[in-house]
Parts: sequence; C-alpha cells; structure tokens
Amino acid sequence: QVQLRESGPGLVKPSETLSLTCSISGDSFNRHYWSWIRQPAGKGLEWIGRSHTSGDTHYNPSLKSRVTMSVDTSKNQFSLTLTSVTAADTAVYYCARDSQSATIWYFDLWGRGTLVLVSS
Amino acid sequence: EIVLTQSPATLSLSPGERATLSCRASQNVYKLLAWYQQKPGQAPRLLIYDASTRVTGLPARFSGSGSGTDFTLTISSLEPEDSAIYYCQQRHIWPPVTFGGGTKVEIK
Repeated sequence: QVQLRESGPGLVKPSETLSLTCSISGDSFNRHYWSWIRQPAGKGLEWIGRSHTSGDTHYNPSLKSRVTMSVDTSKNQFSLTLTSVTAADTAVYYCARDSQSATIWYFDLWGRGTLVLVSS
Repeated sequence: EIVLTQSPATLSLSPGERATLSCRASQNVYKLLAWYQQKPGQAPRLLIYDASTRVTGLPARFSGSGSGTDFTLTISSLEPEDSAIYYCQQRHIWPPVTFGGGTKVEIK
C-alpha cells in the first residue's frame, strides 16, 4: 500500500526558511511527479509545485521566487523549501502524488498533511 | 490563471436528497477537471477526473458532468458520510494548478 508522510518543523519564525520532507513508501518513486499543496486553516487549497526524479519541476508563479523542490531517490523522499516566510504561509502542507490519465493530471494520493505555523 | 468558482458555498440537505454542486471556470478547460472530497481533519480525496470518470470504488451515487466552463458534481442520494467540502480543480492551463473555493455539503 502506497503511503506518503510529511515531516518537518511545526513552527517557523517569520523571515526564516520552511523545510519539509515527504517520504514515500510502497510505490515506484521514479514513475511519478510529486506535488506540494497547502491549505490555510478554514480556507481552500493552493498548489505550490511539483517535482520529478528527472529534475523536472513546475512551480506556482505566485510562489516561484521563494520555492525550491528537490528529490532524493536514495531515500524515496522529496522536499520543499520556502524562504522568507510570513504569517500568510501558515497552513497545513500536503504532499500528493501527481498521476496522469490519457488526458489529465490529477492528485490521486495524498499524505495526511503537516501543520506549519509561522510565528515568532 | 484560470479561476474556478464553485456554488453554492454551502448546501444543506437531508439524507436521500440529491445534491448538485457547480464549478464554473473562467475560461475553457475542456474536460480537464477533477473533483475532490475533504472531510474534517483529513486530506482531500480524489473522486472524479476527466470531468466524469469516477475513481475505482467510488459509490455510484457520485457522478460528474460538464465540459468547457461549466461542470457539475451530483450526489444522487445523500448519505450521512457524504458530509464534506468538495473542491473542483482544473488541469488545462497550468502552472498554476488551480482549485475552486469549495462547496460544503451539510447533512441535516
């Protein structure tokens, strides 16, 4: 059974860097793209970006200047780095598998999410 | 960026009733639309992709329809466990991938 698990510090100070890791088990890590999606409390979903073991990445233009994603194939992990955080970055962060049918990409598997609070 | 507008914001219905959720795109997304269900404290769960293709194991009471700019998620006969927030998401023009603001379905 495929499982995704997010990990990282739950508290980050303003202006500092948020770093999260998603560990994947039970799946062929190299076959998929892996995305980060976040959700502020009581609000909707915001796609942050996605990465692949090939090095191919796509970022949300609204966050692109602050976001870096990478993959570690030796550990079956992919990571998110978000710099210069503010309170607006407080959210539950999800990692998700990005799969494709013949026509459409969709997020067919999600981690449970990890809450990140930006506060001094 | 494609904006998805969902309506209504909240739908309050009784078990057995039919729920009709709307998602309107700011431009043509053809059929490149998916629906997700999110229950409190849980991650979203994919229900439908390609506007109308149900994921394996999804109860038949869930169906999706539409193309272009207007899409509908229908729950034909509500069950108590269908209480959740439902999001649509487009994948025609991206990045960014965009989601609608969600429709909350409440079971009376």
